[in-house]
Amino acid sequence: EDKVVQSPLSLVVHEGDTVTLNCSYEVTNFRSLLWYKQEKKAPTFLFMLTSSGIEKKSGRLSSILDKKELFSILNITATQTGDSAIYLCAVCGGSNYKLTFGKGTLLTVNP
Amino acid sequence: GAVVSQHPSRVICKSGTSVKIECRSLDFQATTMFWYRQFPKQSLMLMATSNEGSKATYEQGVEKDKFLINHASLTLSTLTVTSAHPEDSSFYICSARSDSTQYFGPGTRLLVL
Repeated sequence: EDKVVQSPLSLVVHEGDTVTLNCSYEVTNFRSLLWYKQEKKAPTFLFMLTSSGIEKKSGRLSSILDKKELFSILNITATQTGDSAIYLCAVCGGSNYKLTFGKGTLLTVNP
Repeated sequence: GAVVSQHPSRVICKSGTSVKIECRSLDFQATTMFWYRQFPKQSLMLMATSNEGSKATYEQGVEKDKFLINHASLTLSTLTVTSAHPEDSSFYICSARSDSTQYFGPGTRLLVL
């Protein structure tokens, strides 16, 4: 059975701090790993990672995948209160492209 | 690009009625769409995989006669919650697949009284 484990489950930081969110996985027939941000509504897409060692960046957010060790990290630098959200890691695998989600990391950024 | 819409965004209905939720991929074609359910403070739970032109594949424990899925075109999938009960109240989210990425609709909050 496919499995995704995120850590920490929750994190409280101050504005300006840098955070690292972790995601480890076990999946049959790996296709991709995805990061999403969920605020009050449905998840919004952040990154899709398919290759090891290639960092993806978008502003203050970046992510990298290690397919040998089966994990990914999501970094957020110079955090802002608007970064407060649940960050979901999901792995896409199998012939039907199903996503298996982790439980998410609840990030709270205090002013 | 990769925009997915869902309608309605919020619905309140009486117990015993049926509710239809639409999911549309606006700027791409999606042969596969997915329906999820999310309870408060929990992650997304996959209910079913919807393939255009064929029957949906339901996850274990999801009643196919209660949650009817139709994927009649490459841009539209519908989920009908039949004979809704209060325990069906939840946040229902669809996604549409583009290559190995899924893009989510904004979700539908269902409240059954």
